[in-house]
Amino acid sequence: DAKTTQPNSMESNEEEPVHLPCNHSTISGTDYIHWYRQLPSQGPEYVIHGLTSNVNNRMASLAIAEDRKSSTLILHRATLRDAAVYYCILDSGSARQLTFGSGTQLTVLP
Amino acid sequence: DAGVIQSPRHEVTEMGQEVTLRCKPISGHDYLFWYRQTMMRGLELLIYFNNNVPIDDSGMPEDRFSAKMPNASFSTLKIQPSEPRDSAVYFCASSSGQFYNEQFFGPGTRLTVL
Repeated sequence: DAKTTQPNSMESNEEEPVHLPCNHSTISGTDYIHWYRQLPSQGPEYVIHGLTSNVNNRMASLAIAEDRKSSTLILHRATLRDAAVYYCILDSGSARQLTFGSGTQLTVLP
Repeated sequence: DAGVIQSPRHEVTEMGQEVTLRCKPISGHDYLFWYRQTMMRGLELLIYFNNNVPIDDSGMPEDRFSAKMPNASFSTLKIQPSEPRDSAVYFCASSSGQFYNEQFFGPGTRLTVL
């Protein structure tokens, strides 16, 4: 599986936008980009996924670079409840399993 | 739907004892996954099933671990005999082949082996 690189940690102020980067320079043409997050003492939860085009949903936006070698998860207004570990995962779709890396620990400051 | 249900939520046992973790996936989902999370190794996939059939068990650490899915609404992960290094949080997740690989995770079982 192609690998992803994320910063270990990031901080944001409450009610400000947050941009969480992910590098995936070895992504293949069929790899989807998934984002999950894990709140403290909970299981991971799906945030968003995309292939080539930018995607929006009620939780976040996903901006994918034109060459697809990087992507950015955008939380438009961070709240204290968004403090979590955010995982960027590539998935070819053929094998079904997701390989979680170490993720980015997001701290939201009041 | 109640989501993925796992039991027990916490388990404390002594080394050498048998441990059984249980999972009820979301109704209608045809994929079921077992993960283990530790501080040292992060979140690791142990095994996954499709339509109750094990597809990939390459993540199962050793023969002490076994998983079954006797029907579409129930799965178990058994450790026998348990060892202190098995202490971890074990998550079960399910997904539908109809919706591209969005996995729904349960709350996890925190296992402590003394």
